[in-house]
Amino acid sequence: DTEVTQTPKHLVMGMTNKKSLKCEQHMGHRAMYWYKQKAKKPPELMFVYSYEKLSINESVPSRFSPECPNSSLLNLHLHALQPEDSALYLCASVGATSNNEQFFGPGTRLTVL
Amino acid sequence: KNEVEQSPQNLTAQEGEFITINCSYSVGISALHWLQQHPGGGIVSLFMLSSGKKKHGRLIATINIQEKHSSLHITASHPRDSAVYICAVSPPGWGSRLTFGEGTQLTVNP
Repeated sequence: DTEVTQTPKHLVMGMTNKKSLKCEQHMGHRAMYWYKQKAKKPPELMFVYSYEKLSINESVPSRFSPECPNSSLLNLHLHALQPEDSALYLCASVGATSNNEQFFGPGTRLTVL
Repeated sequence: KNEVEQSPQNLTAQEGEFITINCSYSVGISALHWLQQHPGGGIVSLFMLSSGKKKHGRLIATINIQEKHSSLHITASHPRDSAVYICAVSPPGWGSRLTFGEGTQLTVNP
């Protein structure tokens, strides 16, 4: 299995909702990433987990809460989001090499109403 | 000035043309990545380079470490090559962040 999967593909939520995005990989990768991508822009890094520990948090607002319950799974919990948080959320993973080749998932298209 | 600069920002070509996208960077790297993103889609890694040249089908990527410059070439371009091509660099150290260029929007017309 050489892919990163993300669910759901699309998500529409209100500003008072709580929802979660899920990312899964079974390649034995031990670093996993969350990115946010707005239209016509490159991805912006949000969080990095290395060996299930949060190693990078790019000063992301607390309404985004990441979780890495095991080495294959990465969640992003969403609460009280704003319309400007609407974007494509991408997950990626990196195997145990020093060059950081990232394997990206297909993304979750999030719309906040 | 961005640490990773791509040119051109937009490129329109006719089917069959040879295409070149350029990337310059100003930081120390362990590898340079060329990524492809189709409209509304996820990102696919095309190449990861630390030196020299790599070829995959009609795509060729080169890197000049001394000049801190890389190029992505597409031979015999096809409308299905229409996508955004993103150059990104990774510093030394595992599990570190990628620094992305702004991307090149390529449109290949039939």
